[in-house]
Amino acid sequence: QKEVEQDPGPLSVPEGAIVSLNCTYSNSAFQYFMWYRQYSRKGPELLMYTYSSGNKEDGRFTAQVDKSSKYISLFIRDSQPSDSATYLCAGAGGTSYGKLTFGQGTILTVHP
Amino acid sequence: GAVVSQHPSRVICKSGTSVKIECRSLDFQATTMFWYRQFPKQSLMLMATSNEGSKATYEQGVEKDKFLINHASLTLSTLTVTSAHPEDSSFYICSALSLFRLASSTDTQYFGPGTRLTVL
Repeated sequence: QKEVEQDPGPLSVPEGAIVSLNCTYSNSAFQYFMWYRQYSRKGPELLMYTYSSGNKEDGRFTAQVDKSSKYISLFIRDSQPSDSATYLCAGAGGTSYGKLTFGQGTILTVHP
Repeated sequence: GAVVSQHPSRVICKSGTSVKIECRSLDFQATTMFWYRQFPKQSLMLMATSNEGSKATYEQGVEKDKFLINHASLTLSTLTVTSAHPEDSSFYICSALSLFRLASSTDTQYFGPGTRLTVL
């Protein structure tokens, strides 16, 4: 079993839709949870960072973490074609200082 | 935000040759850098953790004699793929941890743009 599971999609939505991206994880030591956006042939860009359980909102993006169910989500409101990318969730924490464990990534396409 | 660069961005080499990839933190000091490998349509797989002035720590299954890592300064880490073979063709990405925010280090891990290696 992978430490972080993520449905690879692909996911295709119309412009303006609300997008829901999800991951589950198995490592109870994870305390930090991140969402990265990766455009084709580019390095990942940090979108959202959350510590422990709870919600965090930044503009059109909302990240949710439920540690009791080991479930993390990213919501994108009013999705735009420029949001088309691969979205990677990641967890970190415990004794592995700074190490991130990534999910497989979900390919998202927002069509006009 | 902080910037991490990689050089070269793309390299094509013949089988059996060695390739060096540089990772630089341009406007901050990084005590720790990470090297990842990403195959097409797959996620990032951590290869090794590079600490300035000490030996790198490799993940299980990663050959340390094949993937040589040198973290000579607080702004530079290099990955050398020795005797490269076609199966080493991949997208190599580094990330760097900022020195000054150790209490919440994870959010200050900045990624480079990646290096695409093609071994013929």
